[in-house]
Amino acid sequence: DTGVSQDPRHKITKRGQNVTFRCDPISEHNRLYWYRQTLGQGPEFLTYFQNEAQLEKSRLLSDRFSAERPKGSFSTLEIQRTEQGDSAMYLCASSPTAGLNYNEQFFGPGTRLTVL
Amino acid sequence: AQSVTQLDSQVPVFEEAPVELRCNYSSSVSVYLFWYVQYPNQGLQLLLKYLSGSTLVKGINGFEAEFNKSQTSFHLRKPSVHISDTAEYFCAVSRGHAGNNRKLIWGLGTSLAVNP
Repeated sequence: DTGVSQDPRHKITKRGQNVTFRCDPISEHNRLYWYRQTLGQGPEFLTYFQNEAQLEKSRLLSDRFSAERPKGSFSTLEIQRTEQGDSAMYLCASSPTAGLNYNEQFFGPGTRLTVL
Repeated sequence: AQSVTQLDSQVPVFEEAPVELRCNYSSSVSVYLFWYVQYPNQGLQLLLKYLSGSTLVKGINGFEAEFNKSQTSFHLRKPSVHISDTAEYFCAVSRGHAGNNRKLIWGLGTSLAVNP
């Protein structure tokens, strides 16, 4: 169990560019979550996957945002036409559906996005 | 819908003193409750969780929290803090038994500063 990993850890981009982040959850964790955290705030829920199915999207997730989990393992979050307001830490978490840690979310280190 | 209020944005305390970080929530359904810690430049780590059963929950690093349903509170306590406890602390809730989506709703965080 190597934990949740995210790549890249930091991304600096210019306004209007597209960016894609990757999350590798803990193996065998069926649930995967994306959150966004801006400076001085708590994380905010973005979207949730159960295996490969995206079951909930927050209203925070505008049309410029898309997330996938094509094989029920890793997930990607893409932001098109980035805006300065997209600058934040993007957090991924995974969770098992059974066992001792049921209902606990394990977080990755996050991807810090800076839009210039 | 659920919401979380962390009543103190910053808590300064001297080393070896006791500390309490306050958290109140609102929800029309049963909830699970969590405290996470975020050390500088690190990811979120679970301190403790309340799912059911005993209302006094013990976590890692000597922290404990008490679930009070009538006051809708889940305050975090430690009898004697160390310099190494300096971090950001987040209270979070998720829906209880209904459905599979356990998305977390977060407070704004409490910055604990332990001074020598």
